[in-house]
Amino acid sequence: DQQVKQNSPSLSVQEGRISILNCDYTNSMFDYFLWYKKYPAEGPTFLISISSIKDKNEDGRFTVFLNKSAKHLSLHIVPSQPGDSAVYFCAASASNDYKLSFGAGTTVTVRA
Amino acid sequence: NAGVTQTPKFRILKIGQSMTLQCTQDMNHNYMYWYRQDPGMGLKLIYYSVGAGITDKGEVPNGYNVSRSTTEDFPLRLELAAPSQTSVYFCASSSVGMKTEAFFGQGTRLTVV
Repeated sequence: DQQVKQNSPSLSVQEGRISILNCDYTNSMFDYFLWYKKYPAEGPTFLISISSIKDKNEDGRFTVFLNKSAKHLSLHIVPSQPGDSAVYFCAASASNDYKLSFGAGTTVTVRA
Repeated sequence: NAGVTQTPKFRILKIGQSMTLQCTQDMNHNYMYWYRQDPGMGLKLIYYSVGAGITDKGEVPNGYNVSRSTTEDFPLRLELAAPSQTSVYFCASSSVGMKTEAFFGQGTRLTVV
């Protein structure tokens, strides 16, 4: 039962343009959402997070938007850079839960 | 600053063999986790620990065992390896649960033949 879904397995974008990654969730108890980035042969690294009391969180070139009514969040990367080429995982957690549910990931390729 | 260290990086096991995946962290984190990642899938939680002496099952614990005798170490034991356990295994740690930044190891790629 996949509670966090990333329906686009891959995304190709030109350097300097915007990358938009989407994530949908089914569990209405989820109240905290995170994005992790993963390079080949490395472990995931934390990128940005958002609590359900917000609808937007920004950190430099990365912005996460949350639409609770649609159970949807997105990650915007502006401008995209070659070093952003990686797999991006969306993850979610419910209140008082130590654990995260992860999506399957979206592979981003930034073309020069 | 080593962070989270996993050993080995690669391993091939025969069906029925057993092995221990090692994980150690030097950040004095209370929370530690073991995940597995299968091709095209997200990370699935195997076991987790909220402190030394305390462990609990995650989503996919069957075929695995863990122990947490110290804050630093959280080994994952595979008994009677099966082809379904072919995967990439990640250990992670965090100071206050996964809602804060968690640090992952580089992963162990395990193949069971």
